[in-house]
Amino acid sequence: QVHLQQSGPGLLKPSQTLSLTCAISGDSVSSNRAAWNWIRQSPSRGLEWLGRTYYRSKWYNDYAVSVKSRISINPDTSKNQFSLQLKSVTPEDTGVYYCARDPYSMIWYEDWGQGTLVTVSS
Amino acid sequence: SYELTQPPSVSVSPGQTASITCSGDKLGDKYACWYQQKPGQSPVLVIYQDKKRPSGIPERFSGSNSGNTATLSISGAQAMDEADYYCQAWDSSTVVFGGGTTLTVL
Repeated sequence: QVHLQQSGPGLLKPSQTLSLTCAISGDSVSSNRAAWNWIRQSPSRGLEWLGRTYYRSKWYNDYAVSVKSRISINPDTSKNQFSLQLKSVTPEDTGVYYCARDPYSMIWYEDWGQGTLVTVSS
Repeated sequence: SYELTQPPSVSVSPGQTASITCSGDKLGDKYACWYQQKPGQSPVLVIYQDKKRPSGIPERFSGSNSGNTATLSISGAQAMDEADYYCQAWDSSTVVFGGGTTLTVL
């Protein structure tokens, strides 16, 4: 049974950096099969995949075009977790952010974190 | 960019079969999956690779995908199946979600 536990602040001002962490239990961030993803949801944009990190003898990242210039997803093997950083946020980045596990890197998300509501407001 | 289109809402009577469609260009050439989301909760995977059910998902959930349309069917719909349902696929290195369908059981 895999469990993902999210943490991080929920209120930001425009131009700040969003930082969230997803702690993994029941699997390893260094798994050679799984991929570790961030997905967000808002009324205006629906569900939107942001990016992923995964390990295949070395670390790889893929990012959505819409956020590619501002996003960074990084693993932390010492704590078995991964993080999301999104720079220069605007009110358009307001939404619920989820971490999610893709167990075989086949692009489906079998396990999700509890979600973090992030509000960007001055 | 690739798009997946779902009807905003579907209604079904208890015990009947609900069908929720997801349309996209040549969607049948890709794998589709489906998520159920209840208010205030995280999405739950109910179908992956067009028609496979994860462990713990009731047999009344089934899926198909052909041509331009993937379909999620819920046979013997129950009140507990009321939720938003989202389809999802992968195209040109991009993950795409449908806009979601609200299923009402009444």
